[in-house]
Amino acid sequence: KAGVTQTPRYLIKTRGQQVTLSCSPISGHRSVSWYQQTPGQGLQFLFEYFSETQRNKGNFPGRFSGRQFSNSRSEMNVSTLELGDSALYLCASSLSPQGVSGETQYFGPGTRLLVL
Amino acid sequence: AQSVAQPEDQVNVAEGNPLTVKCTYSVSGNPYLFWYVQYPNRGLQFLLKYITGDNLVKGSYGFEAEFNKSQTSFHLKKPSALVSDSALYFCAVRDVRTGKSTFGDGTTLTVKP
Repeated sequence: KAGVTQTPRYLIKTRGQQVTLSCSPISGHRSVSWYQQTPGQGLQFLFEYFSETQRNKGNFPGRFSGRQFSNSRSEMNVSTLELGDSALYLCASSLSPQGVSGETQYFGPGTRLLVL
Repeated sequence: AQSVAQPEDQVNVAEGNPLTVKCTYSVSGNPYLFWYVQYPNRGLQFLLKYITGDNLVKGSYGFEAEFNKSQTSFHLKKPSALVSDSALYFCAVRDVRTGKSTFGDGTTLTVKP
């Protein structure tokens, strides 16, 4: 089975621009979660989607948004980019929602975003 | 609010020696606990998890972890370290009510030949 894939792997943007990141979960997985990883803040939860519905949201400003499609693929959008948005953005998928059971999340390789 | 503490930023061990990477947590109710490993420029790789049952959990690549409820700890262990175990290790706790996961800050493990 193919793992979680994320595109693009690397991205350079300038302040004020917007960006869309894509995540394709493992086949059959319907839950997709997004995380931001930075040296200063570590791994922080952004949001989780299951069956096209946002189930959970972390403490990020409204500039960060996401969606999930009927095929479980997910996109994350960041508008009005700031320098502090430079990070590795990780996507993780699982069969069922995170709170239902002890489902394991499987992570993709991440998209490294650099904001200049 | 739930939290995870990995008290050591860095752990150094010699190849062949046992290794321990420490993790303590705070969460309301019963926790789900996870260990992940991250190699440079890669995503997180699942190692093992504690959901319920036996306090000693065995995982991938010879790693194991012991759930200690009274000490709210979930330390990662391996009897004999390999140079290839050198990586960044994350402990995570999931609140079973909300489904939200909180990760520790990570511990860099260096195994020297």
